[in-house]
Amino acid sequence: DTAVSQTPKYLVTQMGNDKSIKCEQNLGHDTMYWYKQDSKKFLKIMFSYNNKELIINETVPNRFSPKSPDKAHLNLHINSLELGDSAVYFCASSQEGSNYGYTFGSGTRLTVV
Amino acid sequence: EDQVTQSPEALRLQEGESSSLNCSYTVSGLRGLFWYRQDPGKGPEFLFTLYSAGEEKEKERLKATLTKKESFLHITAPKPEDSATYLCAVQDPPGNTGKLIFGQGTTLQVKP
Repeated sequence: DTAVSQTPKYLVTQMGNDKSIKCEQNLGHDTMYWYKQDSKKFLKIMFSYNNKELIINETVPNRFSPKSPDKAHLNLHINSLELGDSAVYFCASSQEGSNYGYTFGSGTRLTVV
Repeated sequence: EDQVTQSPEALRLQEGESSSLNCSYTVSGLRGLFWYRQDPGKGPEFLFTLYSAGEEKEKERLKATLTKKESFLHITAPKPEDSATYLCAVQDPPGNTGKLIFGQGTTLQVKP
């Protein structure tokens, strides 16, 4: 039973297209995140939602728009994709007061050609 | 600004050759320091959380320690299955967003 699941796992698309990545967690956590991992394995936070409310919005181009329809789901929509958007995107969730930090999904590898 | 630096960037060990990975951090108020393991094509997997200087945690061949400025992940008699990227992260101070700030990771390769 997957705790944090992302779809799709791989996404290859052309420059200028619009694409979405979906994330769902079944842990009952109240906070969800999107992180971007570049080719050097560096993980950088993009967004965070707590109970459907946006609480972190780092310096990310406004072509990226997160949406949280409920506290178990956090989707990421990307408009007008650029070559530099190619990376692995991770969804994660956490619960305030937990000692376990985040639980991560398995990632979505986005390749823009 | 909160910052996390890991060293070395890459480490190659022979099976059974013990070593340590370093994580140096600067943060205005440490809420927690986390160690994760990441295998290729997978998401980071939680290993340890440390909260205060002097704290130690162990799991199989791994032991994490914490001082006021750095954390070490000691690997004793490693096996090939310990090969992975090890990530260190600090959590935003209390009262802030709770986000984790990651270092760039140490990629460990253990040869049989």
